[in-house]
This record gives sequence, C-alpha cells and structure tokens, in this order.
Amino acid sequence: KAGVTQTPRYLIKTRGQQVTLSCSPISGHRSVSWYQQTPGQGLQFLFEYFSETQRNKGNFPGRFSGRQFSNSRSEMNVSTLELGDSALYLCASSLGPEAGNTIYFGEGSWLTVV
Amino acid sequence: DAKTTQPPSMDCAEGRAANLPCNHSTISGNEYVYWYRQIHSQGPQYIIHGLKNNETNEMASLIITEDRKSSTLILPHATLRDTAVYYCIVSTGGATNKLIFGTGTLLAVQP
Repeated sequence: KAGVTQTPRYLIKTRGQQVTLSCSPISGHRSVSWYQQTPGQGLQFLFEYFSETQRNKGNFPGRFSGRQFSNSRSEMNVSTLELGDSALYLCASSLGPEAGNTIYFGEGSWLTVV
Repeated sequence: DAKTTQPPSMDCAEGRAANLPCNHSTISGNEYVYWYRQIHSQGPQYIIHGLKNNETNEMASLIITEDRKSSTLILPHATLRDTAVYYCIVSTGGATNKLIFGTGTLLAVQP
C-alpha cells in the first residue's frame, strides 16, 4: 500500500511569506506528526495530531501551526517565513498514538527561504 | 534531549554483519526502542522496534539487554546501500508518538 505522501517535495519561498505543506498518511493511519530537520538542529518534533486534535507540540514559535482533517490528512503552515525556516519538513503517520505502534515517515518537503 | 547515546560513526566491510550499539540507561518500563535510518536527503526509514524481547525482521535484528539499558541493531550482511545515519530512539510512550532523535551513528559500509 502507498506510504506517507508529502506535497510539495520542493519549494522556494521569500522571507515574510507563508507556506502550507500537505501530508497524506498511510491508509488507516489516524495519527500524524511533523518534524523539522536542519543541519544545525537535526530532527526536531513539531507537533502531533490524532482525531483532528493536536496532542503534543514541540518547542517552536507560534508561526508554526498545523491541522488534521477528518480523513486524517494533515497540513502544516509556517507564517512570516524566516531564513532559518529553510529545512526538510517530514511527516510521519501511525495507526494511533499508543506506544509500540510503527511510525512511518514520508520523503519530506524541502523548503528553501530566500 | 535524546534519551539515547550512540557512537558518531562506524565502519563495516561489505558482506559482514554490522552491529550498531545504543545506550538508553534511563528507559522507562513502557518505552520501546525504535531504530530508523536515513540516507541523505530522504525521510527516515523504519527498521525495527522492540520492548524487551529480541526482534527480527527482513531488514535487521534487534537485541535488547535484559536490563533494557542498551540494545544492538544487527544488519546481518551489510551492503553499500546500507550506508546511512542510524538513529536509536526511545519512544516517550503513552499517548503520543513523539520521537526524540539524537545525532545517530553514521554507518559507512566499505567495499
């Protein structure tokens, strides 16, 4: 079956703009989480959604937000982009938030802010 | 902060077994050990995970010590395509899928 799908794969934005990234989880998966990966900070947890509710949030400013739809698809939004937001944004999905579930990652969306 | 400690890099000869160690001395009783790998510019690939028993799948084996304070990922016959950064992660468990990544181990498989 199809894996975690993220769109777009690559995008370039200008400082001050906003961006929306999309994630389609594996069919049947209801938990979606987002991560940011940069050379300096590594892989960092952004937030997690389950049943359209944010269950956990990482240490990121309020410019970073997300949501989950009733079909479990998720979007994340970054407003007022800064150069430091340039990163690989990864989405991961699992059946649910219980410990021990397998968590699968998508290929990510590469965001460059100029 | 990550709850695991891994060597920054390791080498392995092609065709040999690669044994990647991980220390997680503060692991809680309900926390799982997950292993992922990441090849440059790609999303992390799930390898295996376990709670207390040893686990094996088509990719690798996971050996967890009896006290659960450390584990070893074994790739039985390493190939050049196994060159990647390998992350050992202890899940926070409970009502979240939050994974806290450390810096991982860069495994270089040599021909």
